[in-house]
Amino acid sequence: KAGVTQTPRYLIKTRGQQVTLSCSPISGHRSVSWYQQTPGQGLQFLFEYFSETQRNKGNFPGRFSGRQFSNSRSEMNVSTLELGDSALYLCASSLASGSPYNEQFFGPGTRLTVL
Amino acid sequence: AQKITQTQPGMFVQEKEAVTLDCTYDTSDPSYGLFWYKQPSSGEMIFLIYQGSYDQQNATEGRYSLNFQKARKSANLVISASQLGDSAMYFCAMRINSGGGADGLTFGKGTHLIIQP
Repeated sequence: KAGVTQTPRYLIKTRGQQVTLSCSPISGHRSVSWYQQTPGQGLQFLFEYFSETQRNKGNFPGRFSGRQFSNSRSEMNVSTLELGDSALYLCASSLASGSPYNEQFFGPGTRLTVL
Repeated sequence: AQKITQTQPGMFVQEKEAVTLDCTYDTSDPSYGLFWYKQPSSGEMIFLIYQGSYDQQNATEGRYSLNFQKARKSANLVISASQLGDSAMYFCAMRINSGGGADGLTFGKGTHLIIQP
């Protein structure tokens, strides 16, 4: 069974631009979560989607948004990029939402650099 | 709010020795899951092991075991017979059962484990 895939793997943008990252979960998994990893803040939860609905959201500004499609694939968008948005963005999939007992399996991440 | 504490920023261990990575957690929620992930330099987070708050026995997965002490709120990862390929960052994480479902994972700051030949 294929794992979680994320595209693109690397991305360079300039301040003020916007960016869209894509995540395809493990086949059969319906929940997709997004995380940001930076050296200063560590790993932080952005949001979770299940059945095309946002189920939970972390403490990030509205410039960070996402969506999920009917095939469970998810996209994350960051508008008006700032230098501090440079990070590794990780996507994780799990079978279902609503339980703290479901394992989350991560993709390889997208490394975003904002210049 | 929940919190994960990993007190060992870095560890050096001789190959074939056993390793214990410390993790303590703080939550007032009775329902939670505890997870350990390995992150090599490539960046991908690899799931290692999971323990539910109501599980009576410690979880084991091959060379990995989780020493779960609920009263002390600790969930240490034990790696038996360490290998050079175990060198990586290790993160302890927790997920609680919030009102609208489960929250996202809360991560500790990680332990950088280096296995020496």
